[in-house]
Parts: sequence; structure tokens; C-alpha cells
Amino acid sequence: DGGITQSPKYLFRKEGQNVTLSCEQNLNHDAMYWYRQDPGQGLRLIYYSQIVNDFQKGDIAEGYSVSREKKESFPLTVTSAQKNPTAFYLCASSPSVGYTFGSGTRLTVV
Amino acid sequence: GQQLNQSPQSMFIQEGEDVSMNCTSSSIFNTWLWYKQDPGEGPVLLIALYKAGELTSNGRLTAQFGITRKDSFLNISASIPSDVGIYFCAGPNRDDKIIFGKGTRLHILP
Repeated sequence: DGGITQSPKYLFRKEGQNVTLSCEQNLNHDAMYWYRQDPGQGLRLIYYSQIVNDFQKGDIAEGYSVSREKKESFPLTVTSAQKNPTAFYLCASSPSVGYTFGSGTRLTVV
Repeated sequence: GQQLNQSPQSMFIQEGEDVSMNCTSSSIFNTWLWYKQDPGEGPVLLIALYKAGELTSNGRLTAQFGITRKDSFLNISASIPSDVGIYFCAGPNRDDKIIFGKGTRLHILP
């Protein structure tokens, strides 16, 4: 079945550590997106990529980095520069307007 | 920037009741999307609307694209326990990136 796979489902990070969240899709979609979700805040765009080897900052890119070396993969690194990284992270892909989302990764700083 | 305002923020209803929620913006949108997010999962697209005045149904769900193109409505008839979750409206902004409202959280009382 086609879809988007995010891993891990739960991730714990110590302060000062970088962590990488995985996002893989087999939908053959060109565009991929990373969103952050905080309670009561809706979804905020971190980074997006419309083609391989190209990506752009979204509304809250500070403290995050991404790469897009393959069409299927769009990993997100949460760096130590992100001061409040505890959140639910969602990856999405799209051929056009309607996005398909993964099941999310919940990151907690301990 | 463009924003989507959803109301109500949350609602508590009895099983079997009908539900109405809306989404408004100060800007015109050419597409309206409605998503549902189950707890701990990614949002799933319920209905997409592409034309002012359009009324589209998906089972017990009905959504309308407002005539002014600045609002949209979602109705759920005869609610059941699995309707619990967060409902997001969304639409493409001027840069063609999807922006999301903050969601309406639906609770169903036994």
C-alpha cells in the first residue's frame, strides 16, 4: 500500500542533542513537507521541498534542518538550537493541493 | 499574513446530535480543505472544495464553500463516537502553500 511512514513514533531527546526524524513516502509525490503541531496551535510549516535536492524554509525553520537527496525521503533534524523542541511532528507529501500525512513523531525533551 | 479562523475551538455534544463548525478568513481562498485528525495520528483529508457555493458530501459529512470565498462550513450529521478528533480547515495561501486553521476539537459525551 502507498503511504507515508514516519519513524520513530516516540522520541526522547536530551537537551543539547541533535535528533533526526525520518519520513519516507512511496507515493511518487514530488513535494514533501514538515509541520510542527503544538496543543491549540494548529499546524505550522517548518520546511518544504518541491523537488529532489531543493528545499525552502517555512514559517518556523529556525533550529531545524532538512535534506532531500532522494524523492522518497525527507528527514528532519531538530538541532540543539531549537529552544523548545517538544512537539508532535508531521510529515506530508503532495502531488498537488491535497496533502497526505504520516502518522507523526512525538518528540519530548528530557 | 493570511489566517484561517475556526470556530468553535471545541465542542461537547451528545452522540446522535448534528455538528456544525466553520472556518473564516479575511482573504479569498480558491480551495477549501477539511481534515480530521484522530488522537496521536496525522490528519486525513475529508473533503476538498474548489468552487464558490459548492456543497460536497462524504457520508455523514457535508462541507460548503462560502459564496464570498472567505468562509467554509462543515456539518456532521448523527454523530457517532468515532467522530471524536480535531477538525482542521485548510487552504492554499498566495504562495500556494497550504495553511491550516487551529482546529475544532470535537468531544462526544456518552
